[in-house]
Amino acid sequence: RKEVEQDPGPFNVPEGATVAFNCTYSNSASQSFFWYRQDCRKEPKLLMSVYSSGNEDGRFTAQLNRASQYISLLIRDSKLSDSATYLCVVNIRQAGTALIFGKGTTLSVSS
Amino acid sequence: GAVVSQHPSWVICKSGTSVKIECRSLDFQATTMFWYRQFPKQSLMLMATSNEGSKATYEQGVEKDKFLINHASLTLSTLTVTSAHPEDSSFYICSARETPKPGTSYEQYFGPGTRLTVT
Repeated sequence: RKEVEQDPGPFNVPEGATVAFNCTYSNSASQSFFWYRQDCRKEPKLLMSVYSSGNEDGRFTAQLNRASQYISLLIRDSKLSDSATYLCVVNIRQAGTALIFGKGTTLSVSS
Repeated sequence: GAVVSQHPSWVICKSGTSVKIECRSLDFQATTMFWYRQFPKQSLMLMATSNEGSKATYEQGVEKDKFLINHASLTLSTLTVTSAHPEDSSFYICSARETPKPGTSYEQYFGPGTRLTVT
């Protein structure tokens, strides 16, 4: 079983749509959780950290369910510029500080 | 935010040659740097973790004699792909983490990546 699993998509949505991405992780010792965004042929960029209480940053809402080992990202009012691959990332501190990446979910927003 | 640079951004080399990739933290000191590799449509895979002044720790399946990592200063780590082969063609990305402070969330800053093509 992969350590971090995501639905690869692609998700094709119109502008203004709300879209949700899911992610599951296998290691219950995971301590920190993130969503990164990666544009084609570019490095990943941190979108937001994910906290146990859930957190929101503008149109983006992240949630974490430790019991189910499940992370989600909700994007409201999608923009064309949101088109990218969204990477679910966890950190297992006992294993050092390396990040473990999911394969990513591709989002394509069209006008 | 913190900036990490990589050089070169892309390189084409012939099979059997060696290629060195540099990763620099420009405005902070990076105690730890990580090297990742990403094949098309795949996730980033950690290759090795390097701490300044000590030997790198390689992930299972990564040949340490083929991928030489040097982290000689707090702002520079290098990855040398020795005797490169076409199957080494990939996107190599480094990331850097500042010296840990209490309460930090282990955020890493990524370089822009180096696209290596071995012909």
